[in-house]
Amino acid sequence: QVQLVESGGGVVQPGRSLRLSCAAAGFSFSSYGMHWVRQAPGQGLKWVAAILFDGSNEYYADSVKGRFTISRDNSKNTLHLQMNSLTTDDTAVYYCAKDRGWVAAPETWGQGTPVTVSS
Amino acid sequence: QSALTQSASVSGSPGQSISISCTGTSSDVGSHGYVAWYQQHPGTAPKLMIYDVNRRPSGVSNRFSGSKSGNTASLTISGLQAEDEAEYYCSSYTSSNTVVFGGGTKLTVL
Repeated sequence: QVQLVESGGGVVQPGRSLRLSCAAAGFSFSSYGMHWVRQAPGQGLKWVAAILFDGSNEYYADSVKGRFTISRDNSKNTLHLQMNSLTTDDTAVYYCAKDRGWVAAPETWGQGTPVTVSS
Repeated sequence: QSALTQSASVSGSPGQSISISCTGTSSDVGSHGYVAWYQQHPGTAPKLMIYDVNRRPSGVSNRFSGSKSGNTASLTISGLQAEDEAEYYCSSYTSSNTVVFGGGTKLTVL
């Protein structure tokens, strides 16, 4: 079955960078769009970014545009999120999610990796 | 990229039916057939319950159904059960090639 395992979360100071990874298994990774979605403590879901199946296009929420970069390595079935210039507002659990096909709606989610931005 | 509007909470007794609404704009809910609903229990990852407005993934109970009229989508849960108590989120694809979520609705089964 579909498995998504996020890693790379942790505690980081404001202004620093962090790179999240998501290892995918159980499906044809190179055939599906992928998303990153985050959830701040006690808050709702916020979409962060998405990438097409072949990496040809990336899409971002306004709040992270210019700071975050989504990428994928289809040869390694891995999704990444490079996060730069982090602020305390970026503190959240970050979920990796597989789309049903394109990038219209996350379908299957990983368990998430927590990111805390604090001095 | 304003969040879709959901009521903060809804409640119902076992066996009853409830509906949760999700209001967007003509740039998201109103212009695409890509509305989805997610169920999230505390401390767990969200689970897809409805996609493409009214389609159920394999394994999701037929007590869950979705619909849309104009800029507002709805999730209906019939025959409420204790395990349905959770937070529910809607999402929509947008004309800007992004995805937007609702603020979430807490369902309490009395």
